[in-house]
Amino acid sequence: ETGVTQTPRHLVMGMTNKKSLKCEQHLGHNAMYWYKQSAKKPLELMFVYSLEERVENNSVPSRFSPECPNSSHLFLHLHTLQPEDSALYLCASSQDHWTEHLEPQHFGDGTRLSIL
Amino acid sequence: KNQVEQSPQSLIILEGKNCTLQCNYTVSPFSNLRWYKQDTGRGPVSLTIMTFSENTKSNGRYTATLDADTKQSSLHITASQLSDSASYICVATGAGSYQLTFGKGTKLSVIP
Repeated sequence: ETGVTQTPRHLVMGMTNKKSLKCEQHLGHNAMYWYKQSAKKPLELMFVYSLEERVENNSVPSRFSPECPNSSHLFLHLHTLQPEDSALYLCASSQDHWTEHLEPQHFGDGTRLSIL
Repeated sequence: KNQVEQSPQSLIILEGKNCTLQCNYTVSPFSNLRWYKQDTGRGPVSLTIMTFSENTKSNGRYTATLDADTKQSSLHITASQLSDSASYICVATGAGSYQLTFGKGTKLSVIP
């Protein structure tokens, strides 16, 4: 139990569907992140939220839309995805978003997304 | 461009043996170096975090080393166990940054 819960664990969707990924952290952290993990590629940071404010959007296509209603919950809304978007989507949280503070990021177990 | 290169890509060792995983990074200015363990089907879990002034840090049977001059780090696993089978990811962070630069990982398989 990492303290970060992601649902669903697996998702299969067509390119015209709309779905949402959910992340909840029980660690009292102030920063939350979305990462994409594709086979044989390093983790790619997608979005960073600190105290519910978006800090970073790493040139992510607009078909991915994040939402952070409070510091414990993070969503990733998906629409009109492409086959190359099939990947493991990981959520993480940390005490704050400054890496110099040496706080580890705590990851959830991810949502395995497959686009048909 | 910030990069992290890990070697080998994969490694198979016998249970009980030791092994060392390598990491080279080009992140600048540099702040700290992290190692994560990722079991199949799970998210990464933090093993160690070292600042540029630290040379070594241990977490049980895992010992990480850092040479900030040569921009190299290693992760040494002692007396390997079957449960050590996982991907080990090296991560470098830049000073004044909130972004982590991840390596592709080394996939370790420990066999009986």
